[in-house]
Amino acid sequence: DTGVSQNPRHKITKRGQNVTFRCDPISEHNRLYWYRQTLGQGPEFLTYFQNEAQLEKSRLLSDRFSAERPKGSFSTLEIQRTEQGDSAMYLCASSPHGSYNSPLHFGNGTRLTVT
Amino acid sequence: TQLLEQSPQFLSIQEGENLTVYCNSSSVFSSLQWYRQEPGEGPVLLVTVVTGGEVKKLKRLTFQFGDARKDSSLHITAAQPGDTGLYLCAGGPSNAGNNRKLIWGLGTSLAVNP
Repeated sequence: DTGVSQNPRHKITKRGQNVTFRCDPISEHNRLYWYRQTLGQGPEFLTYFQNEAQLEKSRLLSDRFSAERPKGSFSTLEIQRTEQGDSAMYLCASSPHGSYNSPLHFGNGTRLTVT
Repeated sequence: TQLLEQSPQFLSIQEGENLTVYCNSSSVFSSLQWYRQEPGEGPVLLVTVVTGGEVKKLKRLTFQFGDARKDSSLHITAAQPGDTGLYLCAGGPSNAGNNRKLIWGLGTSLAVNP
């Protein structure tokens, strides 16, 4: 068990560019979550998958954001036409099933800076 | 909409002091998790409490779930610099239906000075 892996760890991009982040969850986990976090704040839910199905997407998420988990394993999060307000830490987490008591295993995030 | 309020938002103390952070809501949760997050890393689970009135201890950390399952507290005894970090609570709502999504507090940022 190597834990949840996220790449890249850091991304600096210019406003208007597209960026894509990757998350590799713990292999036997079927639930995968994406969160956004700004400095000193709690995680803000973006979306989650059960296997390859995207079950929920936050209403706060604009159409510029899209996530995929094509084979039910790794996931990608793409942000199109980035804006400065997109600068944040993007966290991925996985869990073995959907019980509230199942802990989330987080990766170390991708820190995005939009200049 | 269910919310979790954490207090205090910031806390700076000296090594050896005791502290308590709180996680409160007007809503009932089926369970509550506490995480600690260090700078540049993702949150790491400390404990899950599921029964009203439950108390769990993890070395110098004591977690309590309120009798009504609406609030929780984390008490740290004899804090050490290694306890520095962002403490987050997250609740499993009791009325979420098929959307099994945790509700997160905004966190308590703790600094323990040597």
